[in-house]
Amino acid sequence: KAGVTQTPRYLIKTRGQQVTLSCSPISGHRSVSWYQQTPGQGLQFLFEYFSETQRNKGNFPGRFSGRQFSNSRSEMNVSTLELGDSALYLCASSLGHRNPSTDTQYFGPGTRLTVL
Amino acid sequence: GDSVTQMEGPVTLSEEAFLTINCTYTATGYPSLFWYVQYPGEGLQLLLKATKADDKGSNKGFEATYRKETTSFHLEKGSVQVSDSAVYFCALFSGGSNYKLTFGKGTLLTVNP
Repeated sequence: KAGVTQTPRYLIKTRGQQVTLSCSPISGHRSVSWYQQTPGQGLQFLFEYFSETQRNKGNFPGRFSGRQFSNSRSEMNVSTLELGDSALYLCASSLGHRNPSTDTQYFGPGTRLTVL
Repeated sequence: GDSVTQMEGPVTLSEEAFLTINCTYTATGYPSLFWYVQYPGEGLQLLLKATKADDKGSNKGFEATYRKETTSFHLEKGSVQVSDSAVYFCALFSGGSNYKLTFGKGTLLTVNP
């Protein structure tokens, strides 16, 4: 089975621009979660989508948004980029079961975003 | 809310040394516990997991036991290799309406030949 794929792997943007990142989950997985990783804050949860609906959202400003398509692929968008948005953005896919004993999140390689 | 506390790094060991990375957690209910590993320039890889008390997760010589009485999930390996050099993250998943992984801050392990 193919793993989680993320595109692009690297991005360089300037302040004020917007960016869209893409994530394709493992076949059969219906849940996609997004995380931001920075040296200072570590790994922080952005949001989770299941069957095209956002089920959970982290504590990030409204500039961060996402969506999920009918084939479970997901995109996240960051508008009006700030220097502090420079980070590794990780996508994880899972079955989406709410029972913690039956679900596991598998991560993609990440998209490295640099904001200049 | 949920939280994970991991021992601060970095940890530097010689090849074939014994490794322990401590992890304790706070959570409501009965979470699943995980160790993920991140090699330079890569995403997170699932190393092992345990879904209930007294479960032992194991993979590639690494082990961790879910201890509910001490709310701990310490990672151990009997003999580390240079190729084990990476950042290790302890995480928990409570499920339910709080569908997200909560991570510790990560521990950088460097193994010298």
